Amino acid sequence: GDSVTQMEGPVTLSEEAFLTINCTYTATGYPSLFWYVQYPGEGLQLLLKATKADDKGSNKGFEATYRKETTSFHLEKGSVQVSDSAVYFCALDFGNEKLTFGTGTRLTIIP
Amino acid sequence: NAGVTQTPKFQVLKTGQSMTLQCAQDMNHNSMYWYRQDPGMGLRLIYYSASEGTTDKGEVPNGYNVSRLNKREFSLRLESAAPSQTSVYFCASSGSGVGGYTFGSGTRLTVV
Repeated sequence: GDSVTQMEGPVTLSEEAFLTINCTYTATGYPSLFWYVQYPGEGLQLLLKATKADDKGSNKGFEATYRKETTSFHLEKGSVQVSDSAVYFCALDFGNEKLTFGTGTRLTIIP
Repeated sequence: NAGVTQTPKFQVLKTGQSMTLQCAQDMNHNSMYWYRQDPGMGLRLIYYSASEGTTDKGEVPNGYNVSRLNKREFSLRLESAAPSQTSVYFCASSGSGVGGYTFGSGTRLTVV
């Protein structure tokens, strides 16, 4: 079945460091791909998305590119801030509006 | 714009008690979902409703029932709570197309 595999956490970085959180997927066909973020005590929020191969989603300085050849959608940010500390979830959707989530990666940024 | 509203935010139940978690959305979305979130397991789909009047089982439906009361409201009921149902529960909704979900802020449930 369809699945999403995320980089295991937790991830701890210093402020202004470069961030990569890996995400790969297994699916028959070409799903849409998403990154969600969950701040402490809150629900998930859509961070960015890409709906077809080679699309790049971006928001709040985060970017992810839909790589069909490697079935990946890695999340990157060039310079993280303390306010980026959260749990990040990769997810896929085949347009039937049922998202499949990864297990989440907890990110902590140290000042 | 309130988005997705869940009540209550916190609840403690004794084993065997019943309760209903409420969810309402004001975005005129057709689809609504209930997920549970457990440490190390991400989000798992309990039930979903693709439209008013329809409901379907997700990955972990045992021990739960749902009601899609109208287009706005989708409730989750635990008939006889068990400690294994201790979790954080999230309701979400989505419209047509690939726009992603809007989540509520969650209900933290503890069953003792």
